[in-house]
Amino acid sequence: AQKITQTQPGMFVQEKEAVTLDCTYDTSDPSYGLFWYKQPSSGEMIFLIYQGSYDQQNATEGRYSLNFQKARKSANLVISASQLGDSAMYFCAMSPHGSGNTGKLIFGQGTTLQVKP
Amino acid sequence: DVKVTQSSRYLVKRTGEKVFLECVQDMDHENMFWYRQDPGLGLRLIYFSYDVKMKEKGDIPEGYSVSREKKERFSLILESASTNQTSMYLCASSILLGQGNSPLHFGNGTRLTVT
Repeated sequence: AQKITQTQPGMFVQEKEAVTLDCTYDTSDPSYGLFWYKQPSSGEMIFLIYQGSYDQQNATEGRYSLNFQKARKSANLVISASQLGDSAMYFCAMSPHGSGNTGKLIFGQGTTLQVKP
Repeated sequence: DVKVTQSSRYLVKRTGEKVFLECVQDMDHENMFWYRQDPGLGLRLIYFSYDVKMKEKGDIPEGYSVSREKKERFSLILESASTNQTSMYLCASSILLGQGNSPLHFGNGTRLTVT
């Protein structure tokens, strides 16, 4: 079965430090896409970063990077230099059909990150 | 910027009522989705649509139906609301499959309470 697992329900990080949010996935498809979304307390879902299963390099977007380890089936999100505005819930998601195909997404349970001043 | 608009931010309904949740997107996206979000469960797909008048069941379609009469509008219908349908409902849209890594664009959500 296709599944996304986020094992950290909640995390704390000190402002300006880096933090890693864990995500493991399970799929038998050879081609898939992995996404991270941020959901602040206001409720909107904000797309952060994307990694295709055939991409050779780890994706980066500003302070966000995705540590993609295909053999381990993990896609951890790394946030560098945390800011107070990074406090939010973070969701890992997978599109199971085709690299870059963003039809149906399967989401993990989410990780709540709190940045301490 | 893509805008996905859900008609209500908060909604309170009684058990047994028929409930309509409306979603409109302004970017001519082919795909539209309805998810529900519950604590500890993440987002679960209820229904999705790839085209007008086309719909497919997601992972938890029981107790729900959908309607897509126009490309920009995707409605979620609770035929007879029950308390276990109390949840946050999120609508999303995206461009046609195979168009690269275009992400889902979400609305702000409707928090539905069924009493």
